[in-house]
Amino acid sequence: AQSVTQLGSHVSVSEGALVLLRCNYSSSVPPYLFWYVQYPNQGLQLLLKYTSAATLVKGINGFEAEFKKSETSFHLTKPSAHMSDAAEYFCAVSPITGNQFYFGTGTSLTVIP
Amino acid sequence: EAGVTQFPSHSVIEKGQTVTLRCDPISGHDNLYWYRRVMGKEIKFLLHFVKESKQDESGMPNNRFLAERTGGTYSTLKVQPAELEDSGVYFCASSQDLGQNTEAFFGQGTRLTVV
Repeated sequence: AQSVTQLGSHVSVSEGALVLLRCNYSSSVPPYLFWYVQYPNQGLQLLLKYTSAATLVKGINGFEAEFKKSETSFHLTKPSAHMSDAAEYFCAVSPITGNQFYFGTGTSLTVIP
Repeated sequence: EAGVTQFPSHSVIEKGQTVTLRCDPISGHDNLYWYRRVMGKEIKFLLHFVKESKQDESGMPNNRFLAERTGGTYSTLKVQPAELEDSGVYFCASSQDLGQNTEAFFGQGTRLTVV
């Protein structure tokens, strides 16, 4: 069975501060893990994905995530928040890339000027 | 290249009415998915088409929901009759194939409100 838990439905950070969005997963098979972002009035956009290569994955817009099997985590980070990062972020797991996704409940990120 | 397009962007209907949502995937993408997000909850899988065939419809909530993909191009999702609990955002996604290096592309969603 696959599932994802995102801690914190709302996160606020100051502009320039570290962004940390938490994601823990449960998977009965080696997972593929994803972070998607949804900006207002837009579709879900892939930020980054882990597909069993390097455990530290770099994505678009300066985001990165580290796969930690021992902690079953895939937290998303960005060293310095920008106003344009305000959006909703979704963590997802899939047994096969491109196949069915299991999403978390999402985390809404607010960036304070 | 056009992305995944969904129509309408918003729909408000009364309980008992019928609504049809449409998804146009990226041209050439054989795989098409429907997902739904009920307010405050996770985005949940509804079904998966490979071309015109339903590969997996295990997430369809009940028989009030009917999805079609005639000709393997665009897809429709009909809700008949709509109930209050059907309200939410319906997302469509498409991918070219399955595998490690593929990517699923999502549409902007259709926000359905049943009153």
